Amino acid sequence: EPEVTQTPSHQVTQMGQEVILRCVPISNHLYFYWYRQILGQKVEFLVSFYNNEISEKSEIFDDQFSVERPDGSNFTLKIRSTKLEDSAMYFCASKQRRDSNQPQHFGDGTRLSIL
Amino acid sequence: ILNVEQSPQSLHVQEGDSTNFTCSFPSSNFYALHWYRWETAKSPEALFVMTLNGDEKKKGRISATLNTKEGYSYLYIKGSQPEDSATYLCAFINAGNMLTFGGGTRLMVKP
Repeated sequence: EPEVTQTPSHQVTQMGQEVILRCVPISNHLYFYWYRQILGQKVEFLVSFYNNEISEKSEIFDDQFSVERPDGSNFTLKIRSTKLEDSAMYFCASKQRRDSNQPQHFGDGTRLSIL
Repeated sequence: ILNVEQSPQSLHVQEGDSTNFTCSFPSSNFYALHWYRWETAKSPEALFVMTLNGDEKKKGRISATLNTKEGYSYLYIKGSQPEDSATYLCAFINAGNMLTFGGGTRLMVKP
């Protein structure tokens, strides 16, 4: 069965550095999402992406964050000038159609640790 | 801010016990409710997508019901097995098409 894949599985970065988290969505999917879970808290929506544009973003997704689909297969989340509070599990998800009755398919996540 | 709550936060049962847990969500502007099963170090796996009031869905020993008027969904597991141990997440979708998650119920089934 096709899967969403995320790399790296764990990223350790110094505060203030930039990180890029990578995702390869399922190949015929058109809608892409990033979520994060800070340890002990709920999974939170960050951003959705369709047709090479951001569809929606949460309050968390400020100017520090950006997303890109550079080559038609990868979907990346860039965090500029990381802060300690950016430490979290970051999940990518994708789905084929916009229908709310379609589930989103998640990757295994990237654990981001900011030192 | 949408509030999606799950209870209990965690649950320990013996193998063979049946169990259920609750997800409550806003009853207005409802589009769908998703249930996911999430094992440690793996990706959340979709169990059910529920859209209609009164919906009941079943997959093997796991079933779910939906009440959109009062804003709750129940997940039932009949005859729990150790391999059912996982965190069960519900997520609400409104017109915005992004998932708003509850905090999850962590189920541990003892052999």
